[in-house]
Amino acid sequence: DIVMTQSPDSLAVSLGERATINCKSSQSVLYISNNKNSLAWYQQKPGQPPKLLIYWASTRESGVPDRFSGSGSGTDFTLTISSLQPEDVAVYYCQQYYSAPLTFGGGTKVEIK
Amino acid sequence: QVQLVQSGAEVKKPGASVKVSCKASGYTFNDFYMHWVRQAPGQGLEWMGWINPHSGGTNYAQKFLGRVTLTRDTSMSTAYMEMSRLRSDDTAVYYCARDSGRDNSGFDLWGQGTLVTVSS
Repeated sequence: DIVMTQSPDSLAVSLGERATINCKSSQSVLYISNNKNSLAWYQQKPGQPPKLLIYWASTRESGVPDRFSGSGSGTDFTLTISSLQPEDVAVYYCQQYYSAPLTFGGGTKVEIK
Repeated sequence: QVQLVQSGAEVKKPGASVKVSCKASGYTFNDFYMHWVRQAPGQGLEWMGWINPHSGGTNYAQKFLGRVTLTRDTSMSTAYMEMSRLRSDDTAVYYCARDSGRDNSGFDLWGQGTLVTVSS
């Protein structure tokens, strides 16, 4: 199984400041055939299901604000919130879609400082 | 309106079975794989398996093999997750989630979740 490790477990950021979340996979999730990383990011607010933010490591889902961006390739990935807003308080998860069982990172809780 | 609507909360005793439904609307049910994901209280997300609504083909996480069965009723545009031999550590919110249909690119639509509580 591919193990997804997120860091940090939690972080507190001032409004308008940058938040950075890291995700590392135990093996590469890059599909050589199409040069796409099978890595997605989700946002989950309390009492709600997760919401897809980013797929293929760096492509924003339709409707997602452009302050959210994803980067990385192979085994190391980053989700960046460029200017934290109050509505961004949530837990963020990475997920690999490269091979079954599909696995998620442990989550990173983002709060306002 | 594109949505997935799940059945209501369940309370079960250890050793019992539960069946959760997930009704799709607003899109062609057969065209998108459906996944099931669970989340224990205060914990992270755990993928359980998927079903291909068109063929009925399934793929399960090893952990759930033999205890979880994914089915669908195409006439009702509904997917089902049935879990048997319930234990207290199966207490969780169970979600259905639609595969985006783009190659390896995540789950773009989620049900609201169904809380299954296993308690004697």
